[in-house]
Amino acid sequence: NAGVTQTPKFRVLKTGQSMTLLCAQDMNHEYMYWYRQDPGMGLRLIHYSVGEGTTAKGEVPDGYNVSRLKKQNFLLGLESAAPSQTSVYFCASSITSGRFRSNNEQFFGPGTRLTVL
Amino acid sequence: KQEVTQIPAALSVPEGENLVLNCSFTDSAIYNLQWFRQDPGKGLTSLLLIQSSQREQTSGRLNASLDKSSGRSTLYIAASQPGDSATYLCAVPYNTDKLIFGTGTRLQVFP
Repeated sequence: NAGVTQTPKFRVLKTGQSMTLLCAQDMNHEYMYWYRQDPGMGLRLIHYSVGEGTTAKGEVPDGYNVSRLKKQNFLLGLESAAPSQTSVYFCASSITSGRFRSNNEQFFGPGTRLTVL
Repeated sequence: KQEVTQIPAALSVPEGENLVLNCSFTDSAIYNLQWFRQDPGKGLTSLLLIQSSQREQTSGRLNASLDKSSGRSTLYIAASQPGDSATYLCAVPYNTDKLIFGTGTRLQVFP
């Protein structure tokens, strides 16, 4: 099992450019999440998905879009990158949500380091 | 709104010491708490998930306790090693589908 994988590992963009970050999991998990991690701010949830074909907003969704066309993949898009989106982006997955108590343990990918100039 | 605090922010100890990392949360209506480890430049590795019905959860040299009534969890690391050097994060579920993270404790264990 590869677990949760993310591509690319690093990326540098100019302001206004667009890009898509790909997350894939091979654990047959229903739930998938996108976080960003910034110094002094900790991890903050951007968007998440409770199953194939669904998406929902997290804590900091502005400037991002997501899609979950296949159960194993969760895409994070930046339509017009801004310097404020410079961050490390992490994808995670879990079997189910928090309401199912024992099955909401989240597993994380290695991260994508994005710099927007 | 749930807030999660970790103290201390950084800790440096000699190899072999037993140590305790603290995690506090403001809303005690949680049903579990998760501890993670993050190595520099890497993702998060899940260490322990402790349910609200449990008071302790153990994995090797790690022991996590949970006291919902006081809004606290501790992560105990026995006989620390240089390989334990990392940032340790705790997180609690919020609004069923989300995790709220603490800002972490950066641990350095020197030989």
